[in-house]
Amino acid sequence: QVQLLESGPGLVRPSQTLSLTCTVFDDSINGGDYYWAWIRQPPGMGLEWIGHIYYRGTTDYSPSLRSRLTMSVDTSKRQFSLSLSSVTAADTAVYYCAREGDSGYDPFDSWGPGALVTVSS
Amino acid sequence: IQLTQSPFSVSASVGDRVTITCRASQHINIFLAWFQTKPGKAPKSLIYDISKLQSGVPSKFSGSASGTNFTLTITSLQPEDFATYYCQQYFSYPRTFGQGTKVDI
Repeated sequence: QVQLLESGPGLVRPSQTLSLTCTVFDDSINGGDYYWAWIRQPPGMGLEWIGHIYYRGTTDYSPSLRSRLTMSVDTSKRQFSLSLSSVTAADTAVYYCAREGDSGYDPFDSWGPGALVTVSS
Repeated sequence: IQLTQSPFSVSASVGDRVTITCRASQHINIFLAWFQTKPGKAPKSLIYDISKLQSGVPSKFSGSASGTNFTLTITSLQPEDFATYYCQQYFSYPRTFGQGTKVDI
């Protein structure tokens, strides 16, 4: 398992872009073997998978968010990032980053503590 | 794939045994995990592949399955076990989660 830590603004204005970064505290982001994922949980609601990125930059996004979503990875910084555009109050949530194996049939084995992002004017 | 988790919450005492169930809307093979969450902390992965313990997880946690019905059992509850527990499938994308079960005192 690996330590992960989310960072970014805690408050975003409606219609703006939400941006978060996850720092990976070992070298496992380099060289494959893992997908790097984002999951969110709105207040009082369930967990929602947002999408993931591979170290080479290939992505897979939730269909419901695909039109507003961009993920990127910077292996030299051991970081991957999330950008969600045109946000509304419905995007208010705790955002988690997580790691899963790249076989397509692997569980999440590491999570960050989460970052609360509030969308409000 | 929908995961229906029950109960929504359960009250228990130290030393008790708790069972949480998770029903999948379709076949997911063995690809079911359980994890624990506490406010302000990183979720902790407990079990994967129905019944395999993640490294460092005590054997008081166990998982089982019957068809598309999955169970997490926690024996000898300790104060640190009072938390919210989720099931999650990794058979297909998008990954989906149960609604969570809060175990409180």
